Amino acid sequence: QVQLQESGPGLVKPSGTLSLTCAVSAGAISSSNWWTWVRQPPGKGLEWIGEIYHSGSTYYNPSLKSRVTISIDKSRNQFSLTLSSVTAADTAMYYCARVQRFLAGPGDYWGQGTLVTVSS
Amino acid sequence: DIQLTQSPSFLSASVGDRVTITCRASQGISSYLAWYHQKPGKAPKLLIYDASTLQSGVPSRFSGSGSGTEFTLTISSLQPEDFATYYCQQLNSYPRTFGQGTKVEIK
Repeated sequence: QVQLQESGPGLVKPSGTLSLTCAVSAGAISSSNWWTWVRQPPGKGLEWIGEIYHSGSTYYNPSLKSRVTISIDKSRNQFSLTLSSVTAADTAMYYCARVQRFLAGPGDYWGQGTLVTVSS
Repeated sequence: DIQLTQSPSFLSASVGDRVTITCRASQGISSYLAWYHQKPGKAPKLLIYDASTLQSGVPSRFSGSGSGTEFTLTISSLQPEDFATYYCQQLNSYPRTFGQGTKVEIK
């Protein structure tokens, strides 16, 4: 059983930077998996943000690519999301998840999510 | 980007009903499709991957089929805990994309 837990500020000012961390249960992040971030604006559907492999390789959603960075810290069993120049449109529940396998894998273990509100 | 269109967007059904949700892709994605359901305030839960493979621990009343551009999720006998929003996700190419969701409500 892999456990994930998101953490970070719940309120970010417009034009600021959103920073979230996903803590992964001990040892799990060293396995050969991709790790992903997904967000969901209030009352709306799911949006894939990007994912990172345990080696550090990344893929990002082009709609966010100029503003997003995903990084991984295997020594701390965590990976992180940074989103710059935020606006109210970035207000959402942010989820981290493990991708089940190397090729074309779905998210099989998810964090509970953390709500980030962009407001002054 | 590959667009996924789910139909219907909203479905009203009774306990015991057979329910089918369709997901159509804007281009072929082989069998690289997953289905999730999501209850209010909760994270999505993986039900099916590779279009038809049941995730471990998911009840057998859930099944998936399809390949290429058209996929279906079927619930053979709807249970009270199945009332939720269902999403498909394509895993054939980046960026990964989701369908807009199908909300299944109690009739």
